[in-house]
Amino acid sequence: DVKVTQSSRYLVKRTGEKVFLECVQDMDHENMFWYRQDPGLGLRLIYFSYDVKMKEKGDIPEGYSVSREKKERFSLILESASTNQTSMYLCASSFGGPRDEQYFGPGTRLTVT
Amino acid sequence: GDSVTQMEGPVTLSEEAFLTINCTYTATGYPSLFWYVQYPGEGLQLLLKATKADDKGSNKGFEATYRKETTSFHLEKGSVQVSDSAVYFCALRKLGGNKLVFGAGTILRVKS
Repeated sequence: DVKVTQSSRYLVKRTGEKVFLECVQDMDHENMFWYRQDPGLGLRLIYFSYDVKMKEKGDIPEGYSVSREKKERFSLILESASTNQTSMYLCASSFGGPRDEQYFGPGTRLTVT
Repeated sequence: GDSVTQMEGPVTLSEEAFLTINCTYTATGYPSLFWYVQYPGEGLQLLLKATKADDKGSNKGFEATYRKETTSFHLEKGSVQVSDSAVYFCALRKLGGNKLVFGAGTILRVKS
């Protein structure tokens, strides 16, 4: 079974802190994605990566950065957390290609106070 | 731009009732269409998909047919169970693309 794991299920941080969210997949997938999930808005893509050290902005990249130094690991970084970044963050991965499926991690619920 | 519109929830049904969750999309070309399900406390799981017009995706008693003429991909199940209570997301992916575009999600609550 494909497994996508995220470093924390729940996280509480203070405004201005630097926050790292980690995601690891064990299926040698090429693509990895970071989404945020908010009620009434569904999932919105923050960043994705199609290879090591490669990244592309999604729909809402402002206030976030990412790092992919190894194929299996994709990190989301909040340089200076703000209260409007309180949300559920979901990581996903996929092989790529026309018939791929995205596999999701369990999510990290981040609260910024 | 590309978008997906789902019926607003929550949808509350009694066990064994018929379920329909409406989904329509706007996209250029011929996207692939997906339904994902999120059970409480979990990430999203792919429920079913269709890659071309008139395709029917099915899984676990759920079905959806890709209707190009109405740009729709409505999710149906003949008899829901309490264990189907979850959030359901409709999504599209453009041909040749990697990114999914999601609808807002529809909460389904099934009462025994």
